[in-house]
Amino acid sequence: QSALTQPRSVSGSPGQSVTISCTGTSSDVGGYNYVSWYQQHPGKAPKLMIYDVSKRPSGVPDRFSGSKSGNTASLTISGLQAEDEADYYCCSYAGSYTLQVFGGGTKLTVL
Amino acid sequence: QLQLQESGPGLVKPSETLSLTCTVSGGSISSSSYYWGWIRQPPGKGLEWIGSIYYSGSTYYNPSLKSRVTISVDTSKNQFSLKLSSVTAADTAVYYCARRGWFEEFDYWGQGTLVTVSS
Repeated sequence: QSALTQPRSVSGSPGQSVTISCTGTSSDVGGYNYVSWYQQHPGKAPKLMIYDVSKRPSGVPDRFSGSKSGNTASLTISGLQAEDEADYYCCSYAGSYTLQVFGGGTKLTVL
Repeated sequence: QLQLQESGPGLVKPSETLSLTCTVSGGSISSSSYYWGWIRQPPGKGLEWIGSIYYSGSTYYNPSLKSRVTISVDTSKNQFSLKLSSVTAADTAVYYCARRGWFEEFDYWGQGTLVTVSS
């Protein structure tokens, strides 16, 4: 069970958009529409931002959106704000034996 | 509002067993809609799923940890627990408990507890 592949870091200026990719295989990201994304500020627990590839939980701004194409899922944050600076993790269902696999995480810097 | 709270020793000696409990409040652990899971994060590193349990006791474990992990549930106390045996320094991490929803997402998390493996 290998971790999903995310860029180590991305950056953008306030108001801009950034996209974080999450690449897996046909056994996880490509095989199921169960991709979720988490935001984690330093010293805090992760917070669910996107689930089921593109659904937003109540209270998550619509600046956050998710998508998937083949074995790669993406999180896009538009209208970047300073408070968006955090680590972001993707997670995918990987079948009834492995169940869940996380990405290595991406540090978002708001310039 | 659902809340989860981890509890247990913050220091464990090498080769011993790490034991943590997650207490759920504001909702029932016996809900048929959810699994309950453990996730860990070594200092400065990413998240790793450890395993999940259903209120009936059905469990799923990360294959890489399966030989050392046991997750159990106590519905009378609205708690579930983690045991990780034969720990080494590599098991030093913040351990989180979380609820897993219908779409395989972890929608509620505990605050996390740091467990250090050291003699």
